[in-house]
Amino acid sequence: EVQLVESGGGLVQPGRSLKLSCAASGFTFSNYYMAWVRQAPKKGLEWVATISTSGSRTYYPDSVKGRFTISRDNAKSSLYLQMNSLKSEDTATYYCARERTSFDYWGQGVMVTVSS
Amino acid sequence: IQLTQSPSLLSASVGDRVTLSCKGSQNINNYLAWYQQKLGEAPKLLIYNTNSLQTGIPSRFSGSGSGTDYTLTISSLQPEDVATYFCYQYNNGWTFGGGTKLELK
Repeated sequence: EVQLVESGGGLVQPGRSLKLSCAASGFTFSNYYMAWVRQAPKKGLEWVATISTSGSRTYYPDSVKGRFTISRDNAKSSLYLQMNSLKSEDTATYYCARERTSFDYWGQGVMVTVSS
Repeated sequence: IQLTQSPSLLSASVGDRVTLSCKGSQNINNYLAWYQQKLGEAPKLLIYNTNSLQTGIPSRFSGSGSGTDYTLTISSLQPEDVATYFCYQYNNGWTFGGGTKLELK
């Protein structure tokens, strides 16, 4: 059974950093692109980052480019999102997702609140 | 590519045939998926590549479309289908639509 479990969320002040983790199991992690998708409270979904199978290629929307960094450790079947210079508009539930033509499996999400 | 979903809110009765629309600002080349999100849950993939049903999804869900216009159809609405539905394109970047909230009349 495919499982994705996020961790590392919490309350953080504007301008500070936070690192999210996603532990994957039930599939061969190194064979799949992986991504982070977020959802602000009572809002729609926003793609945040994608990483290739080896980690050599990463992709970001303009809203987080230069501030967020996606990475992976295939030996540990783990995905990460380093978030720097956080803003109030980054407040959201962050989901880890597996990519296969589309996001076919999602974690349960982790909440990040950016507030002073 | 921007995605516009309509309507934003849809009320329907159990057993109704329901149609949700998603329109792209550019050609999506059939790289279009649909997600269902129930309150407090993560999104669930229903349809990918316009009309391919994800494993385990009931056959009352179907997708169609081409170019810039795509549709999700529920052939006979069930109470458990109450949710918000998002379309998503992966032809050029990765973009979600704003969602259609489906409620029971």
